[in-house]
Amino acid sequence: ETGVTQTPRHLVMGMTNKKSLKCEQHLGHNAMYWYKQSAKKPLELMFVYNFKEQTENNSVPSRFSPECPNSSHLFLHLHTLQPEDSALYLCASSQVTDRDEQYFGPGTRLTVT
Amino acid sequence: AQKITQTQPGMFVQEKEAVTLDCTYDTSDPSYGLFWYKQPSSGEMIFLIYQGSYDQQNATEGRYSLNFQKARKSANLVISASQLGDSAMYFCAMRGTNTGNQFYFGTGTSLTVIP
Repeated sequence: ETGVTQTPRHLVMGMTNKKSLKCEQHLGHNAMYWYKQSAKKPLELMFVYNFKEQTENNSVPSRFSPECPNSSHLFLHLHTLQPEDSALYLCASSQVTDRDEQYFGPGTRLTVT
Repeated sequence: AQKITQTQPGMFVQEKEAVTLDCTYDTSDPSYGLFWYKQPSSGEMIFLIYQGSYDQQNATEGRYSLNFQKARKSANLVISASQLGDSAMYFCAMRGTNTGNQFYFGTGTSLTVIP
């Protein structure tokens, strides 16, 4: 499999549930990202991992917990979410230079009920 | 501070015509990269074109070209010979040498190609 993959593609969860989003990249990149995209809002950067170390956390609530066990895998653990957390969650990867673009996965469309 | 501004929330273009999507940026980084992405209704972000701040030539990729005016801090995307499949959201983004791995995205422009 090539590129950046994300599972699941769609997720509906209640506010008391615990679920995880998975991202995998097969591009040999060393940086991985989580973004949140809500309707009619700009793309919001959530977390950045560089060589498995978290380098950015953009004031994300603790109900979102990232995990990066290696440079190819990135998880986003979700618990006690709110309806306003419903959004498209995009994972991306890149090399660590300013000339290298990010490659995005297809996203997970999350609905919190 | 890094900032990307896209002032056109929505644009329409006739099929086979050219269209320009505007992007201005603000950065204090001496070296940076500018990117354009396309997001169809399916949701996936697709990389289109890259321009480095020290590149002498404007970037081109097939029907996509980037009108880079460094003094004006603008990096407009030009799509020539528009096709129906070009209908999508388009995002301008920037990455600087002093901002680590952070990409800064604009709010996007929704392009609709009319047959």
